[in-house]
Amino acid sequence: KNEVEQSPQNLTAQEGEFITINCSYSVGISALHWLQQHPGGGIVSLFMLSSGKKKHGRLIATINIQEKHSSLHITASHPRDSAVYICAVNTGNQFYFGTGTSLTVIP
Amino acid sequence: NAGVTQTPKFQVLKTGQSMTLQCAQDMNHEYMSWYRQDPGMGLRLIHYSVGAGITDQGEVPNGYNVSRSTTEDFPLRLLSAAPSQTSVYFCASWTSGRPQQYFGPGTRLTVT
Repeated sequence: KNEVEQSPQNLTAQEGEFITINCSYSVGISALHWLQQHPGGGIVSLFMLSSGKKKHGRLIATINIQEKHSSLHITASHPRDSAVYICAVNTGNQFYFGTGTSLTVIP
Repeated sequence: NAGVTQTPKFQVLKTGQSMTLQCAQDMNHEYMSWYRQDPGMGLRLIHYSVGAGITDQGEVPNGYNVSRSTTEDFPLRLLSAAPSQTSVYFCASWTSGRPQQYFGPGTRLTVT
């Protein structure tokens, strides 16, 4: 049983395209997080959301608490956006993670 | 602030050997966790701690031990390494006031 499901698993885009990654969860949460992991690299937090929408540069994250769904959008994608994007939910003492979406942006 | 530090970055062990992965944070976070990351499976929780002296098991605790004698340090001990423990291990910390996790750089462990 996976508490957090992400789609798609893999995504290839041309530079400049608009990208959407989806996350659905099945547990009650206090917050949802979007993380980024570059190949061979560490994990950094992009967004923490408990409602609504947040924007940081070309990245936008939204959450619908009633539908237990979140999306991460990347506008005007760039090759440096190539990474694995991970959705995670916080349920108090613990976090549950999706398996990640591997994004490749081709110049 | 150094954030979350982990040592070593890489380690090769033979089956049956024991070792300790070190994790330290300087942000006075009460929560600390150990995860393993395997291809296609995402991050899985091994053990976590909600404060000094308090630890609990996560999803995959077998073969691992932890202790938390100080707020700063949360070492992970492999008691008798097995090839199934080949993985990348991440330590993370956060505070209840703002549950955004800060991750260490990871330890890549190979057990032969």
